[in-house]
Amino acid sequence: DTGVSQNPRHKITKRGQNVTFRCDPISEHNRLYWYRQTLGQGPEFLTYFQNEAQLEKSRLLSDRFSAERPKGSFSTLEIQRTEQGDSAMYLCASSLTTRTSGRTDTQYFGPGTRLTVL
Amino acid sequence: QKEVEQDPGPLSVPEGAIVSLNCTYSNSAFQYFMWYRQYSRKGPELLMYTYSSGNKEDGRFTAQVDKSSKYISLFIRDSQPSDSATYLCAMSARSQGGSEKLVFGKGMKLTVNP
Repeated sequence: DTGVSQNPRHKITKRGQNVTFRCDPISEHNRLYWYRQTLGQGPEFLTYFQNEAQLEKSRLLSDRFSAERPKGSFSTLEIQRTEQGDSAMYLCASSLTTRTSGRTDTQYFGPGTRLTVL
Repeated sequence: QKEVEQDPGPLSVPEGAIVSLNCTYSNSAFQYFMWYRQYSRKGPELLMYTYSSGNKEDGRFTAQVDKSSKYISLFIRDSQPSDSATYLCAMSARSQGGSEKLVFGKGMKLTVNP
């Protein structure tokens, strides 16, 4: 399977604990995005990497959240001191930059990590 | 007002029906318009992609974009029970060297009954 993979698929934690999620993008994809999806809502953008550089962060990404993409391959998203409001599906997507006029990068999504904070 | 508005439904139709899903948006910078399908507890899967105004057809699916009205639609012909899923509209603006983050609607939950 050469799609985007995410681990773990499910995580249950107690409030105040730290959690870390991993995303493995499609190989050779240079762009990687993190989104958060709560029940009954569409995904919301959190942050974006081009290769190893984190180029954009949403205001949704509080200082308890940190994301990395060392060496421009896999990415991790860490949430410190989790709160019940962090319960959501965390989605990762990757894309390959295209310079073709009139086209945008197609973002391929992983299956998501479902976080439940008790 | 949210940048992208989508009626969340739910919508239930009999097999074979024509389904119409719609989104409106407020950001004139949006140039790329997509429809994703999401099955329960799975990640979104790209169904259709359109650039600028016009129609695009792919099998039983037709995507329409009307930039003057800031309105996009997805039509599903001869709907099948396997089409039962949540349909999300998504849009992005061209950014020179920056992210092309997607802005999603809430998603419409569709059930096609056999």
